[in-house]
Amino acid sequence: GEDVEQSLFLSVREGDSSVINCTYTDSSSTYLYWYKQEPGAGLQLLTYIFSNMDMKQDQRLTVLLNKKDKHLSLRIADTQTGDSAIYFCADPGYGGSQGNLIFGKGTKLSVKP
Amino acid sequence: DTGVSQDPRHKITKRGQNVTFRCDPISEHNRLYWYRQTLGQGPEFLTYFQNEAQLEKSRLLSDRFSAERPKGSFSTLEIQRTEQGDSAMYLCASSSLAGGHEQFFGPGTRLTVL
Repeated sequence: GEDVEQSLFLSVREGDSSVINCTYTDSSSTYLYWYKQEPGAGLQLLTYIFSNMDMKQDQRLTVLLNKKDKHLSLRIADTQTGDSAIYFCADPGYGGSQGNLIFGKGTKLSVKP
Repeated sequence: DTGVSQDPRHKITKRGQNVTFRCDPISEHNRLYWYRQTLGQGPEFLTYFQNEAQLEKSRLLSDRFSAERPKGSFSTLEIQRTEQGDSAMYLCASSSLAGGHEQFFGPGTRLTVL
C-alpha cells in the first residue's frame, strides 16, 4: 500500500537552515503537503507543491520535489526557536482523491539557541 | 471565519463507556474528515464526508465507531464500548470542494480511556 517515510529527528542551531526529507510511494498524487504540529495542538498547513512543479518558494520555506525518486524536501531558512515542532509530509494517496491523506510519522525539529 | 473547531478538547472515560465528539468545519466547506493520531505517529485517516454523504471509510473504523454529518455542517464521531486502545487524539479537518484541495485541521480532541 501507499507509504510515506520521514526521518524522525533533526536538530539545528538558530539561524541555520533546516532540511526535512520525505519519500513517498504513490506516484499519482496531484499535490504533496507539509504540515506543522506544535505540542498538544492540531496540524497547521504550511505549504504544498503541485506534482508538475520541481520547486516552490514561500518566504522562508522552499519545497523541492523529485518525482523520479519520489522524494520531497522542506527547507526552512534562518530557522528560529519558534520553528521547533513536528513536521509532517502528507500524500493524498492512490488517485489523489484528497479524501485520504497519508502522513509520515513526522520529523521532530529541535532548534537550539 | 474562526477555523475548524472541536469539542471537547479533552475527554477522559472509563473502558466500556460511549463517547461522542463534535467537529464544526470552516463555514461553507463541503468536505469534512476525521483522523486519529496516536503518540509518536502521524494522523491516520478514518473517514470523510462530502456534504452529508459519507464517501470513504478506513478499515481502522471498526463497528464500534460511527460518524455522522446529518445536515452537511457539523459532524459527530461516536465510539461505543471504548477500549484502552482507543486512547488517541481525534482530529477533524475540512476542505472546500470549490475553493481548493487543502485540508485545514482543528485542534483535536484528546481521548484517554482508563
